[in-house]
Amino acid sequence: KAGVTQTPRYLIKTRGQQVTLSCSPISGHRSVSWYQQTPGQGLQFLFEYFSETQRNKGNFPGRFSGRQFSNSRSEMNVSTLELGDSALYLCASSWAGGPQETQYFGPGTRLLVL
Amino acid sequence: SQELEQSPQSLIVQEGKNLTINCTSSKTLYGLYWYKQKYGEGLIFLMMLQKGGEEKSHEKITAKLDEKKQQSSLHITASQPSHAGIYLCGADSPGNFNKFYFGSGTKLNVKP
Repeated sequence: KAGVTQTPRYLIKTRGQQVTLSCSPISGHRSVSWYQQTPGQGLQFLFEYFSETQRNKGNFPGRFSGRQFSNSRSEMNVSTLELGDSALYLCASSWAGGPQETQYFGPGTRLLVL
Repeated sequence: SQELEQSPQSLIVQEGKNLTINCTSSKTLYGLYWYKQKYGEGLIFLMMLQKGGEEKSHEKITAKLDEKKQQSSLHITASQPSHAGIYLCGADSPGNFNKFYFGSGTKLNVKP
């Protein structure tokens, strides 16, 4: 089985722009979660999608949004980029996002905001 | 919110030495996960612990869960340069199982 894939792997944007990141989960997995990783804050939960619905959301501003398609692929969007949005964005997939269910991570998208 | 505290924050060991990384939770643990990350890359799943007293091993890495202490430990025996990386513990959020929390990570360097 192919693992979780994320595109693009690297991205450079300027302040004020918007960006869309994509995540394809492991085949059969229906839950996709997104995380932001920075040196200062570590790994923080952004949101989780299951069956095209956002089930959970972390403490991030509304500039961060996402969606999930019927094939379980997910995208996250960040509008009006700020310098502080520079980070490694990771997505993870699991079967159904249930209790004690392992999440498998993609390689991440490194976003640099100038 | 649940917090996971990892110790030590960083570790440098000589190749062949054993080491232990700890992860302590501020709340009851329902599922504890260990991941390894190479710098700037994704997380590689190592193992998951579900029950108090549970112990799992994969190659030279052993993890244990002490439910009473709300703590897990990761032990590497006879460390090798390939063990170098950042080790992260993660946990399900109580009552909110699809919301993971992670510790801040332990950076491990193994000197050949």
